[in-house]
Amino acid sequence: AQSVTQPDIHITVSEGASLELRCNYSYGATPYLFWYVQSPGQGLQLLLKYFSGDTLVQGIKGFEAEFKRSQSSFNLRKPSVHWSDAAEYFCAVGGIGTGANNLFFGTGTRLTVIP
Amino acid sequence: GAGVSQSPRYKVAKRGQDVALRCDPISGHVSLFWYQQALGQGPEFLTYFQNEAQLDKSGLPSDRFFAERPEGSVSTLKIQRTQQEDSAVYLCASSLAGAGTDTQYFGPGTRLTVL
Repeated sequence: AQSVTQPDIHITVSEGASLELRCNYSYGATPYLFWYVQSPGQGLQLLLKYFSGDTLVQGIKGFEAEFKRSQSSFNLRKPSVHWSDAAEYFCAVGGIGTGANNLFFGTGTRLTVIP
Repeated sequence: GAGVSQSPRYKVAKRGQDVALRCDPISGHVSLFWYQQALGQGPEFLTYFQNEAQLDKSGLPSDRFFAERPEGSVSTLKIQRTQQEDSAVYLCASSLAGAGTDTQYFGPGTRLTVL
């Protein structure tokens, strides 16, 4: 079945530590790949997206993600986490079949940042 | 406007009541999407408009759900005879052109609670 998997429901990191959030997808072709962040009471905000080309993508707020075709993964990274990064992070895919214009989301990873 | 706006932000309905949720997309955006986000889950696609045309409604969970965008700007999602399982956050998003690669900009959502 087609799916987007975020295996980590909740991650806790110390401020200043590095971060990696995992995302795997299961589709026949390489979809368009997105990472969104959702803060309490806020809408989803796009961090970065990948369509083709360079497999390392830079986004806003110091985030980056790397597409690995062989692993069907698109993991999100940040070298040094700030307290303001505490939020819910969603991986999403688009450009799939008849639903090419809409997004399919994973279940999210909640990030807690401790001082 | 600066972003996508949704109203009301919170809605409490008694089971069996009809509700209407409004979305004001970013001015000039051709495409508009509705998603449903259950507690602890990622958003799930409901329906998609390009201008006033509803091109995909495959995600609407039942015929109690109806969406319209009569003039190609503001959209309304209507739920008839609400049930407890309809309790969720309803997110609206818009994009400039509607290609799968376009960034979708999300509103803050309407939290619907059905008692």
